Amino acid sequence: GAGVSQSPRYKVAKRGQDVALRCDPISGHVSLFWYQQALGQGPEFLTYFQNEAQLDKSGLPSDRFFAERPEGSVSTLKIQRTQQEDSAVYLCASSPGRDRGRQKTQYFGPGTRLLVL
Amino acid sequence: AQSVSQHNHHVILSEAASLELGCNYSYGGTVNLFWYVQYPGQHLQLLLKYFSGDPLVKGIKGFEAEFIKSKFSFNLRKPSVQWSDTAEYFCAVNAEWVTGGGNKLTFGTGTQLKVEL
Repeated sequence: GAGVSQSPRYKVAKRGQDVALRCDPISGHVSLFWYQQALGQGPEFLTYFQNEAQLDKSGLPSDRFFAERPEGSVSTLKIQRTQQEDSAVYLCASSPGRDRGRQKTQYFGPGTRLLVL
Repeated sequence: AQSVSQHNHHVILSEAASLELGCNYSYGGTVNLFWYVQYPGQHLQLLLKYFSGDPLVKGIKGFEAEFIKSKFSFNLRKPSVQWSDTAEYFCAVNAEWVTGGGNKLTFGTGTQLKVEL
């Protein structure tokens, strides 16, 4: 079946511009995650949805970052007034279930590479 | 809070050499453990995972990992590497039996493996 897809794959933004990154999870997956991966680092957690509910947004670095998943499927990560330090790869992952064992295995999309000039 | 350490940042091996990549985590409760691989130009793929039971888990492409609870370790091994194993390897952990924020993955900084012919 289809995996996690993300769009756009690459985005160049001028400092101060707003951007929106889209994630299509694997069909039927309840949980959806956003991560930020800086160059040479491992992915770092941003936020987590269970269906349409955003249960954890502790990793969002500032109030310029906003995520939504209004119908419990597609999700959008929005960054307002982008700064150069926002340049990174933004990864989306989904998992089948909620809180137990194998249901927590996360499958990753290809990521969106954001460059802020 | 969870943290993951990968001590080897860059590893260079010749084909047919044996591989062991270290991963240590810190978390007081029950954890799920993962190794992900990122081949050049590709997205993160699940290599193997541990939830419970036999602490020696086997993954794809001949990889295996051993969970040693007393050492908080989950080292990745392969008896004989191939040129095609050149990639970046990430160890990750999430907490079991914790709702909400416990579902997030905490990653190590990654190990870049280069296999020379």
